[in-house]
Amino acid sequence: LAKTTQPISMDSYEGQEVNITCSHNNIATNDYITWYQQFPSQGPRFIIQGYKTKVTNEVASLFIPADRKSSTLSLPRVSLSDTAVYYCLVGGPYSGGYQKVTFGIGTKLQVIP
Amino acid sequence: KAGVTQTPRYLIKTRGQQVTLSCSPISGHRSVSWYQQTPGQGLQFLFEYFSETQRNKGNFPGRFSGRQFSNSRSEMNVSTLELGDSALYLCASTSGSVAGANVLTFGAGSRLTVL
Repeated sequence: LAKTTQPISMDSYEGQEVNITCSHNNIATNDYITWYQQFPSQGPRFIIQGYKTKVTNEVASLFIPADRKSSTLSLPRVSLSDTAVYYCLVGGPYSGGYQKVTFGIGTKLQVIP
Repeated sequence: KAGVTQTPRYLIKTRGQQVTLSCSPISGHRSVSWYQQTPGQGLQFLFEYFSETQRNKGNFPGRFSGRQFSNSRSEMNVSTLELGDSALYLCASTSGSVAGANVLTFGAGSRLTVL
């Protein structure tokens, strides 16, 4: 079961690019890397998912090096509304057996005006 | 497309009581998982159900239990409530298929306060 390590908190000014790195040294071959965003008193919300190299969508980019032991979520030009907790989740497909989902404690991003 | 619905959103109980929380997954999703979130512990996995069977269970005492119905709706129950059970309880659904990684869709949560 891949354990993840992220910074506990980060501060950024509005308009800057924010990069949050997650370490997952024992990621398994079938594991995907998924990032979620959570606002207070709400459930986490899917941001982006990747397996290797780079993935980009309308809100973020995800960079995964060749060894896949870490990943970096990149948020371009953050705004105050991006203040939230970001979770890195590593897990694989349900292969008919059992898959336990493990979240870390997340990274609390504070965007400053 | 309706999202994941959790009820009730807020509830207050006293120590020793029991509570039942409900989760209706996204239509077509067969996997429902439950999580406890507290300020100090973050998001902790409770258990996951797929097609009415518990597929996995986290490290929680037996006071925490769950079940899933044939329509994929799920309930979790906490008996003999303790003060430390005060938390936001989240459920998430996913297709649970064997192909690809499954993206979890979370509900808004049920905020339980134990007095």
